Amino acid sequence: SQTIHQWPATLVQPVGSPLSLECTVEGTSNPNLYWYRQAAGRGLQLLFYSVGIGQISSEVPQNLSASRPQDRQFILSSKKLLLSDSGFYLCAWSGRATPPYEQYFGPGTRLTVT
Amino acid sequence: GQQVMQIPQYQHVQEGEDFTTYCNSSTTLSNIQWYKQRPGGHPVFLIQLVKSGEVKKQKRLTFQFGEAKKNSSLHITATQTTDVGTYFCAGPINTDKLIFGTGTRLQVFP
Repeated sequence: SQTIHQWPATLVQPVGSPLSLECTVEGTSNPNLYWYRQAAGRGLQLLFYSVGIGQISSEVPQNLSASRPQDRQFILSSKKLLLSDSGFYLCAWSGRATPPYEQYFGPGTRLTVT
Repeated sequence: GQQVMQIPQYQHVQEGEDFTTYCNSSTTLSNIQWYKQRPGGHPVFLIQLVKSGEVKKQKRLTFQFGEAKKNSSLHITATQTTDVGTYFCAGPINTDKLIFGTGTRLQVFP
């Protein structure tokens, strides 16, 4: 069966510090991968998605970036965090056999920028 | 741009009462998906509806896709405290990504 991992679960970082969140998927090949951000009590904002290694689509201009160095690995990064980067970051994957596909989310990372 | 709105934003019910959330898209959708997010948790896929007018049931949950494929509803019969959470609908923008609705947060009082 497929599983999706995210770490860390929680993170407190000062303004201006770098960020690296990692997401890995097991049990599937060539998935679509997604990064979402959710502010407290709010909806899901799609940040980036990837349909293959090295292929990244950015949805929202910001100081975040994403990379997909391996088929089942998706990384979210920032060189300098802002207070507004605080939120709940969710990674998700979907299959590609028959569109459009349901998405399966990881446990998320709660980021607080202080 | 494409928008998917849900009403109500919040709903508080007494345990045993029914609950309904409505999802409305600005454009026709090829399918509609529903997700549940428990407090402090991550969204979990519940179901997908594809056909116009389709109705599906999962125990006490009834999902409906509108005839025009622009709206959907989720109805919970006799709510339980385990139903607490935020319910999101979602529709595809293209073959690779979804647009999620604004969500309805359900609180159930015992």
